[in-house]
Amino acid sequence: GDSVTQMEGPVTLSEEAFLTINCTYTATGYPSLFWYVQYPGEGLQLLLKATKADDKGSNKGFEATYRKETTSFHLEKGSVQVSDSAVYFCALTETGANNLFFGTGTRLTVIP
Amino acid sequence: DTEVTQTPKHLVMGMTNKKSLKCEQHMGHRAMYWYKQKAKKPPELMFVYSYEKLSINESVPSRFSPECPNSSLLNLHLHALQPEDSALYLCASSQVYTEAFFGQGTRLTVV
Repeated sequence: GDSVTQMEGPVTLSEEAFLTINCTYTATGYPSLFWYVQYPGEGLQLLLKATKADDKGSNKGFEATYRKETTSFHLEKGSVQVSDSAVYFCALTETGANNLFFGTGTRLTVIP
Repeated sequence: DTEVTQTPKHLVMGMTNKKSLKCEQHMGHRAMYWYKQKAKKPPELMFVYSYEKLSINESVPSRFSPECPNSSLLNLHLHALQPEDSALYLCASSQVYTEAFFGQGTRLTVV
């Protein structure tokens, strides 16, 4: 079945450090891939997406590239801010399906 | 308008109560979802409605009863819940087979 494996957290970084959160997936077809962010006490916000191999999603300085050969969709940001502290979820949905599969989430804390 | 609105934001109910959670979107999305999220866990899919018809039910106990009165509204009726059902309940919507947009959630406590 489809699944998402996400880097274990928590991750603690100093402000302006480089961020990578690893995500790999297993899917039988050609999934769309997403990163969602959840701030404390809130719902999930779509951060970025990629719908086919080699697509790069980007938003608010975050980037992730859909790598079919390594079945990966790692999240990166060049310089994190305190306001980026949140839980980040990698997710996928299969083509022609309405089921969104989530990874376990990675809690990021950025300290000044 | 890119919002999914959920009411109430917080709900405390007894194990013999009946209550309903409500969700509304005006983005013209034709798929709507209920997810349950326990603390420090990812959201777990409960139900999916596609074109107002229930298309996925992830073996959810019958004390949770979804309803989709029209393309903009989604309800979750709750009856005889258990304390372990306490969680954040998230509603989401999407165009069919695309990214989902989530509401802020209803934090439910069963006492």
